[in-house]
Amino acid sequence: NFMLTQPHSVSESPGKTVTISCTRSSGSIASNYVQWYQQRPGSAPTTVIYEDNQRPSGVPDRFSGSIDSSSNSASLTISGLKTEDEADYYCQSYDSSNRRVVFGGGTKLTVL
Amino acid sequence: EVQLVESGGGLVQPGRSLRLSCAASGFTFDDYAMHWVRQAPGKGLEWVSGISWNSGSIGYADSVKGRFTISRDNAKNSLYLQMNSLRAEDTALYYCAKVSRFLEWLSWFDYWGQGTLVTVSS
Repeated sequence: NFMLTQPHSVSESPGKTVTISCTRSSGSIASNYVQWYQQRPGSAPTTVIYEDNQRPSGVPDRFSGSIDSSSNSASLTISGLKTEDEADYYCQSYDSSNRRVVFGGGTKLTVL
Repeated sequence: EVQLVESGGGLVQPGRSLRLSCAASGFTFDDYAMHWVRQAPGKGLEWVSGISWNSGSIGYADSVKGRFTISRDNAKNSLYLQMNSLRAEDTALYYCAKVSRFLEWLSWFDYWGQGTLVTVSS
C-alpha cells in the first residue's frame, strides 16, 4: 500500500506563487490520476485540480497541477495568491489493485 | 442541482453500532459510484469506503474493514454505511461523495455532502 506525503504547512504573501508537493511512497505517480481538493474551515472539500492537471469549471487558471516522474510526485501551483486561497489542500489518488482511494495528509496554506 | 445530504450521526458508546445514510438528488444516482470519506476533528481527510454504481465493486480502508459495510439502494437514491463495533478513533465527520465519471468506480469526487458527525464515547 502506498502513501501520499505532503508538507504540513506552507505560507506565502499575496500576489506570489506557491507550490505544494505530494510524493507517492511506492509505485509510479503516473500510474493513477492525482486530484487536489481545497477545504476551507467549516466547509466540505471542493476540487481544484483533477486528473493531474485539469481544472473544473469555475476554478481560476491561477491553479495548476502537474506530475513529475523523476521525483515521483505531484504538485499544485497557485499563482497570484489571494487571501481567499488560504485553506487546507489535499492530494488524492487511487490504488486500483487494492480498490482503495488514498489521500495525502493535507497542507495548510497561509497567505499573509 | 446535485445535493448530497448525510444523516444518522450522533453520540454512540464504544462497541455499539450506527447506520449512516446519504440521500442523493439532482443526478441519475444509479449511474455513479459513491464513497464515504471521514475527517476526525482537526485532522485530515480519510477515505472510508466506496461502492460502484451496481454494487459490484466495493472497497474499504484497512481501518474499517470487517466492521463497516457500505451499501446503496438505487431505487431510493440512497447510500448507506453500517458501522459496527465502533471505536473512539471512528469519531469524525462523515462525508458522502459522488464520483465524477459515469459508471467508473475510481474517479475524482465532484460533489460532497456537508457531513454527519459521529462521536464515539462512553
